Amino acid sequence: DVKVTQSSRYLVKRTGEKVFLECVQDMDHENMFWYRQDPGLGLRLIYFSYDVKMKEKGDIPEGYSVSREKKERFSLILESASTNQTSMYLCASSSPFLAVSSTDTQYFGPGTRLTVL
Amino acid sequence: QKEVEQDPGPLSVPEGAIVSLNCTYSNSAFQYFMWYRQYSRKGPELLMYTYSSGNKEDGRFTAQVDKSSKYISLFIRDSQPSDSATYLCAMSAIQAGTALIFGKGTTLSVSS
Repeated sequence: DVKVTQSSRYLVKRTGEKVFLECVQDMDHENMFWYRQDPGLGLRLIYFSYDVKMKEKGDIPEGYSVSREKKERFSLILESASTNQTSMYLCASSSPFLAVSSTDTQYFGPGTRLTVL
Repeated sequence: QKEVEQDPGPLSVPEGAIVSLNCTYSNSAFQYFMWYRQYSRKGPELLMYTYSSGNKEDGRFTAQVDKSSKYISLFIRDSQPSDSATYLCAMSAIQAGTALIFGKGTTLSVSS
């Protein structure tokens, strides 16, 4: 089974703190993603990476950065946390291509519920 | 018009009911269609995966794609309280796994 793990299930931080969210996958997937999920807004893509040291901005990259030094690990960094970054953060991984006959698509971690006070 | 529209619900049904969950989309190039199930405070998990048009069945779940109407459905037969979750549709136009477009999810509650 694909396994995507995230470093924390729940996190509480203060405004202005630097926050690191870690994600590790064990399926040797090339692609990794960071989303945030908010009520009424659904899943929104923050950043994704298709290879080590490569990254692409998603729909809402402002206030975030990412790091991918190893294939299995993708980190999301909040440089200076703000209250509007309180959210559920979801990491996902996938192989490069969807396939007609397999279920090789994005697999998600359990999520980190971040509260910024 | 948003690329993928999904009624957020909530949808409440009694145990044993047949449930129909739907998404409409505007991009006729979408070919890959997925349904994810997300329990409260958990990450989404892949439930069904369909390529192009037609039906796919897995136990009590049936995924249906009608590309002519740009409409996909997930049917749950003999619904159980354990089916209570949020269901997200997702789709992609190309093979690249980076390009999934998600619906906002429909919250389902099955009462015993």
